[in-house]
Amino acid sequence: DTAVSQTPKYLVTQMGNDKSIKCEQNLGHDTMYWYKQDSKKFLKIMFSYNNKELIINETVPNRFSPKSPDKAHLNLHINSLELGDSAVYFCASSRLRTGRNEAFFGQGTRLTVV
Amino acid sequence: KQEVTQIPAALSVPEGENLVLNCSFTDSAIYNLQWFRQDPGKGLTSLLLIQSSQREQTSGRLNASLDKSSGRSTLYIAASQPGDSATYLCAVTNSGGYQKVTFGIGTKLQVIP
Repeated sequence: DTAVSQTPKYLVTQMGNDKSIKCEQNLGHDTMYWYKQDSKKFLKIMFSYNNKELIINETVPNRFSPKSPDKAHLNLHINSLELGDSAVYFCASSRLRTGRNEAFFGQGTRLTVV
Repeated sequence: KQEVTQIPAALSVPEGENLVLNCSFTDSAIYNLQWFRQDPGKGLTSLLLIQSSQREQTSGRLNASLDKSSGRSTLYIAASQPGDSATYLCAVTNSGGYQKVTFGIGTKLQVIP
């Protein structure tokens, strides 16, 4: 029944490793997002995909690469993890249309790089 | 560039009190404004969505208002309960081109029994 689900919920890994976070939505939405919430609880958008196409790409290191195999999935792959990548990553989805565009969020993935 | 500010950063009130959380944004060209609740270690739960053409939305003890021209929104919580303790986030979706969502940093609310 979960509308937006992310896996894993927790991820602890060493510097230099490559890891992926998966996101799936069953709401039939056409737009998906990745957000990063830093230690100060500030939420900042990283990427947005509409119908599998990248539409927003904020200033994010090239080590972060989103992949959208279909409209219901948006995975985040991170290469060569650094200590500063430690944060909570949230996936979200919405239906892009005039006015409504209500966003639904996943439960977050707490990434700890050691 | 849209900036969203929430005041106060933290608020502690006794149970039963009515309270108001404030959100301001710099670019009034918005599609909508959404209020979220975030519990510690949890995700974001959508509370209320106000479309750009609306002035307020209500859900139970919550009422959110929107004044686009002044770039402000308020979230009113009536008869607060300890279960309302959480961080409340305001998010604005911009109009024009790609709809980008900008968040405030949130107001951490503690309701004391």
